[in-house]
Amino acid sequence: DGGITQSPKYLFRKEGQNVTLSCEQNLNHDAMYWYRQDPGQGLRLIYYSQIVNDFQKGDIAEGYSVSREKKESFPLTVTSAQKNPTAFYLCASSIRRDLGEAFFGQGTRLTVV
Amino acid sequence: DAKTTQPPSMDCAEGRAANLPCNHSTISGNEYVYWYRQIHSQGPQYIIHGLKNNETNEMASLIITEDRKSSTLILPHATLRDTAVYYCIVRPTSTSGTYKYIFGTGTRLKVLA
Repeated sequence: DGGITQSPKYLFRKEGQNVTLSCEQNLNHDAMYWYRQDPGQGLRLIYYSQIVNDFQKGDIAEGYSVSREKKESFPLTVTSAQKNPTAFYLCASSIRRDLGEAFFGQGTRLTVV
Repeated sequence: DAKTTQPPSMDCAEGRAANLPCNHSTISGNEYVYWYRQIHSQGPQYIIHGLKNNETNEMASLIITEDRKSSTLILPHATLRDTAVYYCIVRPTSTSGTYKYIFGTGTRLKVLA
């Protein structure tokens, strides 16, 4: 089945450690996105990528980094510079930057202790 | 970027139609209206989108006013499984031609038995 997969579903890390969240899609979509969601809040855009080897900062990119070496994969690293990393992280993809609805993964809930 | 305004919460009786309003008074001519919903702790799910004309699919109907400044998502026979947060999004473009999905806080719909 085609889809977008995030792993793991739950992730615990100690404060000060970097952590990488996985996002893979087999939909052959060009565009991919990372969002952060805090309790009772909407989604805030962290980074997005229109094509391989290209990505742009969203509204809250500080403390995060991404790479897009393959079309299928868009991993997000939460660095120790992110002040409040505990959140629900959502990855999405769309067929093209200017076309199609976004498909979302099921999210990764990151807890930093 | 065009912004959207939605009521924070609504209740609907099971079996009745749920009408969820969205105001997007600054929408420009080439921007689509998209609707998504998010069931608790899951990734958002695409529902429907439209430009000018009313649209219907197996999940819902979308009514867009003639001046395109507002729209209404209609779930014709709401069930308990429709309890979710519903997001209305205007798909913005920047001058560079990149596209981002910007999510607000949505409407929390509770379907009551």
